[in-house]
Amino acid sequence: AQSVSQHNHHVILSEAASLELGCNYSYGGTVNLFWYVQYPGQHLQLLLKYFSGDPLVKGIKGFEAEFIKSKFSFNLRKPSVQWSDTAEYFCAVTSNTGGFKTIFGAGTRLFVKA
Amino acid sequence: DAMVIQNPRYQVTQFGKPVTLSCSQTLNHNVMYWYQQKSSQAPKLLFHYYDKDFNNEADTPDNFQSRRPNTSFCFLDIRSPGLGDAAMYLCATSRGRSGANVLTFGAGSRLTVL
Repeated sequence: AQSVSQHNHHVILSEAASLELGCNYSYGGTVNLFWYVQYPGQHLQLLLKYFSGDPLVKGIKGFEAEFIKSKFSFNLRKPSVQWSDTAEYFCAVTSNTGGFKTIFGAGTRLFVKA
Repeated sequence: DAMVIQNPRYQVTQFGKPVTLSCSQTLNHNVMYWYQQKSSQAPKLLFHYYDKDFNNEADTPDNFQSRRPNTSFCFLDIRSPGLGDAAMYLCATSRGRSGANVLTFGAGSRLTVL
């Protein structure tokens, strides 16, 4: 079955630490990849996306993600986190074998200590 | 700002008492989706409307129904809520129905079943 796996359910970091959140998917064919973020009390919103081209994509607030096709991965990174990055992060995928439907991972809750 | 509005934000109901959740959008998007999200789990697509065309997911229980009377509004009806239906219900929209479409979410409606 098509699925998206996020390796860590909870991550706690201190400010200025580096962040990497793992995401793996189990789709064949062409994929579109997304990271969505949900800040406390707010709605889910797009952080960044990859459709084609340069596998290293940059999003808002200094986040970036790298698509590694051979590893079926799309990990999210940020060199130096801030307290305001405390949120829940969801990896999501659409594929040409799954139709247009967006399939989400279970999310990773990030808490950044000030 | 164009947005997706869900009401109510919090709904408490009794076991078996019907519930209706609403979603409205000012984006003029063609597609409206309903996702169910339980604690620490991935958002799960229940169904979507592409214009007036209703598309049910194969594993969505019959207990869940939806209506889209016009482009702006979409409703989720839970005919006889059970304890297992307690969850956050997310409405989302997209301009079209392709893998490249970004989802715009509402803030969600949290359902509690007593």
